Amino acid sequence: KAGVTQTPRYLIKTRGQQVTLSCSPISGHRSVSWYQQTPGQGLQFLFEYFSETQRNKGNFPGRFSGRQFSNSRSEMNVSTLELGDSALYLCASSLDRTDFEQYFGPGTRLTVT
Amino acid sequence: KQEVTQIPAALSVPEGENLVLNCSFTDSAIYNLQWFRQDPGKGLTSLLLIQSSQREQTSGRLNASLDKSSGRSTLYIAASQPGDSATYLCAVGNRDDKIIFGKGTRLHILP
Repeated sequence: KAGVTQTPRYLIKTRGQQVTLSCSPISGHRSVSWYQQTPGQGLQFLFEYFSETQRNKGNFPGRFSGRQFSNSRSEMNVSTLELGDSALYLCASSLDRTDFEQYFGPGTRLTVT
Repeated sequence: KQEVTQIPAALSVPEGENLVLNCSFTDSAIYNLQWFRQDPGKGLTSLLLIQSSQREQTSGRLNASLDKSSGRSTLYIAASQPGDSATYLCAVGNRDDKIIFGKGTRLHILP
């Protein structure tokens, strides 16, 4: 069974640009969550999608958005990039609700210059 | 608001020793608690998941316990090996469907 995949693995952008990251969950998993990880703040919850609907959202500005497709694949978008958006972006999938075990992808390392 | 704390932030232990990592949380109304390990620059690997109705889970040399009433979980690693060196994170699944992570304990096993 294939694990969670994320593309691209590494990305370099400049301030003001926008970026789209992709996450493919484990087959059969319907919940996809996104996290931002930085050395200072640790892992912070961005949002969770279930059956193409955003079910939960963390405390991030509106520049961070996401969506989920009918095949459960998810994308997150960050507009008007800032230097502080440099981070490892991780997605996790679970079978159903967040009370099920979370499986993480390898992450996308975003560097904003 | 749920807060998850892991102490210590870093730990060095000689190979072969048993060790305990700690995780505490402020709100006991949780669905579950999950322990992960993360190697530098990589994603998270799930180690153990404890549901709120359970007291402990075991996998090989790892044993995780959960005491909801005191807001504590421990991860016990027996007979530590250099390959156990990593950052260990605990994550609490809350009843508002948010998962809150601690900042992790960076473990270094000395050969």
